[in-house]
Formats: sequence, structure tokens, C-alpha cells
Amino acid sequence: AQRVTQPEKLLSVFKGAPVELKCNYSYSGSPELFWYVQYSRQRLQLLLRHISRESIKGFTADLNKGETSFHLKKPFAQEEDSAMYYCALTGGQNFVFGPGTRLSVLP
Amino acid sequence: DTGVSQNPRHKITKRGQNVTFRCDPISEHNRLYWYRQTLGQGPEFLTYFQNEAQLEKSRLLSDRFSAERPKGSFSTLEIQRTEQGDSAMYLCATRDRGHSGELFFGEGSRLTVL
Repeated sequence: AQRVTQPEKLLSVFKGAPVELKCNYSYSGSPELFWYVQYSRQRLQLLLRHISRESIKGFTADLNKGETSFHLKKPFAQEEDSAMYYCALTGGQNFVFGPGTRLSVLP
Repeated sequence: DTGVSQNPRHKITKRGQNVTFRCDPISEHNRLYWYRQTLGQGPEFLTYFQNEAQLEKSRLLSDRFSAERPKGSFSTLEIQRTEQGDSAMYLCATRDRGHSGELFFGEGSRLTVL
């Protein structure tokens, strides 16, 4: 069965501190992993995907198949990073989302 | 193109009534998804269309729920005999023919069942 877990409902950090949002998954094949973000009063949107191996807004995420993890990291958090973050996977058609982590970056 | 459009944005109804939500996708996006989101949870998959064909349905989609995409463009999600447990945000997302994997979401339709 496909499943995505995000152990932290809320993560609070101070501006300039490093941040790591955890994501673990279970999937029998080779999934594609994504991070989606929802800023206040905006729609859900893609932040980054593991295939691209890109850094978006200073965020990176590395797929660790051994640990079945796809943690999202940023070395220096900014106040504008405050949002809901959802980890998601797909095996090709359906997308499964985790429960989300609310990141609050304090001034 | 203004992106994925959903309406109504908010719907308040009494238990037992039927409601219908509409989703207009981004042009040429042939894949369309419906999700349900309740407070404190991530989006839960309901159903998926490729063009007009409904390819997958979640077991969350009881007999009271039906979705259509008659011409492969807009889609409707109908809930019959609504229950209080149906209160949620209903999200539509679409995806293009390529392999980018990116879902484009609408703003959602919030249902409140009294």
C-alpha cells in the first residue's frame, strides 16, 4: 500500500535557523516524490520534485531509498517560508499525500 | 488561462440534500483528480480521470458520491444525501500529458453540512 507519513504536525524555528521537515513513505515500487506547499490563503502548489534534484527557494530534498525518506531541508529559514508543507508520492497515476507539517518561522 | 477553477467556493447545505461541485481544468490537461481534505489532514484521493475515462476510485468514494467528466474537459463531483461527515474541502487538481508529475490545484470547494 502507498503511504506517506510526516511525523511533525507543527515545526517552529527562528529566522535564520536551519529547518528540516521529515517525510517517510512506503511503496512497493519506485515512486516519484514531491513536496507541495500551501501559503496562507493560496492554493496548494508544487515546491520541488526529487527527479529534478533542484533547489527551490533555498529548499532541497534528497530521496533516501534505504530509509524510504524524502526530508525537506533549508539552511536558513525565512519568515516567508511559513506555510503548510505536504510530502507526496506517485507510482504513475494516483498521488498520495502526507498529513502535512505546518512550518512557523519566528522573527 | 487562469488555472484550475472550482465552484462554488463555499456551499452550506442541510443533511440529506444533494450537492454538486464543478472543476474546470487548465486547457489541454487530460488528467483530472478529486481530493477531499479535512482539518489537520492532507488531501485524500477520491477519484481520477484520464480524458473522460474514470480510471481509479478510492474506497472513500461511497455510493453517495459520483464524479463525471463527460467530454474530457470540466468535471463534476456530486454528493447525494449529504451527511455531516461529508463536511470538508473538496479539491480538484489537473495534470498535463507530459511526465512532469506536477499537479495544479484549484482553490477548492468548501462544503458544510448542517
